[in-house]
Amino acid sequence: AQSVTQPDIHITVSEGASLELRCNYSYGATPYLFWYVQSPGQGLQLLLKYFSGDTLVQGIKGFEAEFKRSQSSFNLRKPSVHWSDAAEYFCAGHQTGANNLFFGTGTRLTVIP
Amino acid sequence: GAGVSQSPSNKVTEKGKDVELRCDPISGHTALYWYRQSLGQGLEFLIYFQGNSAPDKSGLPSDRFSAERTGGSVSTLTIQRTQQEDSAVYLCASSRVTGAGANVLTFGAGSRLTVL
Repeated sequence: AQSVTQPDIHITVSEGASLELRCNYSYGATPYLFWYVQSPGQGLQLLLKYFSGDTLVQGIKGFEAEFKRSQSSFNLRKPSVHWSDAAEYFCAGHQTGANNLFFGTGTRLTVIP
Repeated sequence: GAGVSQSPSNKVTEKGKDVELRCDPISGHTALYWYRQSLGQGLEFLIYFQGNSAPDKSGLPSDRFSAERTGGSVSTLTIQRTQQEDSAVYLCASSRVTGAGANVLTFGAGSRLTVL
């Protein structure tokens, strides 16, 4: 079945430390992949997207993600985390022509001083 | 409008009552989605509208749930005879399919439903 999986439910990092949030996908062909962020009480905001081409994509707020076909992964990274990055992060994907965007269960990020 | 607008932002209702949740998508977006986010859960797809095509209702959890989209714009999600397990945040999103064939969704802030 088509899906995306986020193996980490909750991650805690210190402010200024680097961050990597994991996402694995299960699709027959290369899917379209996205990362969204949901801050407390807010709607989901698109951080970045991968369609094709360069496997390293840059997003807003200093985030980037790398598509690795060999590992079926699309991990989100940030070199230096800020306290305002504390939020819930969702990986999502869909295949060409598919209507439904499948979401992972989310990873909650806590940032400690 | 500038963004996806949902109303009400919060709704508290009694078990057995019907509720209607409204979504006003971004002008020009032909696709509209409803998702449900329960506490501690990911996003559960409910229904998808694209232009004048028949909606994809494959995610609706029961026949108590229905949705319509009038004039290709505003959508209403109706839950009949609400149950406590219907308590969740209901998210609406709209999109304009890009030239690359991808659906980039813009989400509303959601409607939080609490069934007592």
